[in-house]
Amino acid sequence: DGGITQSPKYLFRKEGQNVTLSCEQNLNHDAMYWYRQDPGQGLRLIYYSQIVNDFQKGDIAEGYSVSREKKESFPLTVTSAQKNPTAFYLCASSILYQNNEQFFGPGTRLTVL
Amino acid sequence: QQPVQSPQAVILREGEDAVINCSSSKALYSVHWYRQKHGEAPVFLMILLKGGEQKGHEKISASFNEKKQQSSLYLTASQLSYSGTYFCGTAGCGYGNNRLAFGKGNQVVVIP
Repeated sequence: DGGITQSPKYLFRKEGQNVTLSCEQNLNHDAMYWYRQDPGQGLRLIYYSQIVNDFQKGDIAEGYSVSREKKESFPLTVTSAQKNPTAFYLCASSILYQNNEQFFGPGTRLTVL
Repeated sequence: QQPVQSPQAVILREGEDAVINCSSSKALYSVHWYRQKHGEAPVFLMILLKGGEQKGHEKISASFNEKKQQSSLYLTASQLSYSGTYFCGTAGCGYGNNRLAFGKGNQVVVIP
C-alpha cells in the first residue's frame, strides 16, 4: 500500500536536546512538507521541498532544519534553538504542481520536558 | 497569509445542515478543504479552483466566490462521521508549487 509514514508517534525529549522526526513516503511524490500544529492554531508550514537536495523555509522555520537527500525521505530536526518545541508535527507529500491534494502522515507528538 | 475560518465551532444534531466559511484577504487561485479527527492526520475532502472547477471525492459540497475570495463548505443532512475539525488551505495566484496557507479550523460536532 502506498502512503506516508512518520515515526515515532510519541516522542519525549529533554530541553536543550536536538531531536529528528522521520517522514517517509512511497507515493513517488516530488513535493514534501512539514507542518506544526498547536491547539487552536491550525497548520503552520515549517519547511517544504519540491525536489531532492532543495528545500525552502515556510512561515515558522526558525529553530528547525531539514534535509532531502532522497525523494522518499524528508526528516525534520527540532533544534535546541526552537523556543517552544512541544507540538504535533505533521508531514505531507503531494504531486509537485499546484492544485493537487496533500497526503498527510499520522503525525508525531513531541513533548519537551 | 493565513485565511480566516468561521464560525470557530458548530454543534448540530444528526440530520441538520451547517455552513462553514473560509475567507482570504489575498487573491486566491484555489481552496483546499481537509477534515481532521482528534489525534489523526487531516484527510482531503476537495479542491475548488478559480473558474469553478472542483476536485473531490466526498459527498460534501462547497462553493468558491472569487469576488469575495471566500469558500463555503456545506454539510448537508449531517452524519455523526462529519464530526471533526475542518481546515481550509489556500493557494494564491502566481504560485508555481502546491504550497498552502491553512486557517485555524472550524470545529464541527454532530450529536445524535
